[in-house]
Amino acid sequence: KQEVTQIPAALSVPEGENLVLNCSFTDSAIYNLQWFRQDPGKGLTSLLLIQSSQREQTSGRLNASLDKSSGRSTLYIAASQPGDSATYLCAADGYNKLIFGAGTRLAVHP
Amino acid sequence: GAVVSQHPSWVICKSGTSVKIECRSLDFQATTMFWYRQFPKQSLMLMATSNEGSKATYEQGVEKDKFLINHASLTLSTLTVTSAHPEDSSFYICSAGSSSYNEQFFGPGTRLTVL
Repeated sequence: KQEVTQIPAALSVPEGENLVLNCSFTDSAIYNLQWFRQDPGKGLTSLLLIQSSQREQTSGRLNASLDKSSGRSTLYIAASQPGDSATYLCAADGYNKLIFGAGTRLAVHP
Repeated sequence: GAVVSQHPSWVICKSGTSVKIECRSLDFQATTMFWYRQFPKQSLMLMATSNEGSKATYEQGVEKDKFLINHASLTLSTLTVTSAHPEDSSFYICSAGSSSYNEQFFGPGTRLTVL
């Protein structure tokens, strides 16, 4: 049974810092690994999707890496801004079945 | 991009009543739709997977007679919470997928509060 863990559970940083959010999964037989952002009381916004054959994906200030063999993914946020404050969720896709981690609650203060 | 809508965005009901939530794929045909539940400060948990024209597949621990799922067309799936109780209060999110995409697209969610 796939289990997804995210560390840290919460993070508070000053504006401008570079951040690393961690995600680990127990079953390496995944189709892809996806990172989402969720604002309070809102739905999910897809940030990056890494297919199992890929090592990383980049979008603007975000970079996500995937190491299937070790069951790990990281989301790197460069030059954080207050607008980045949200909960970040990773999800492992076991062939059309997404298993989510509990998320990292990020607060970026001015 | 692929857009998924949900209606209503929030609903308040009395204990014992039934509530229906709609999930629509607006610009693509969704062969598969998923229903998730999210309790406060917890992550999303998959409740069930539905394929158009077939019975839904429920995850372990989810009562199929309480959470009725209908996926009658390629653009619409409904979740009916029957005889709702306060412990059913949660954020319900649907997602949709198809063979044309390698990912699911999520709706904005429905906040259900049962008094």
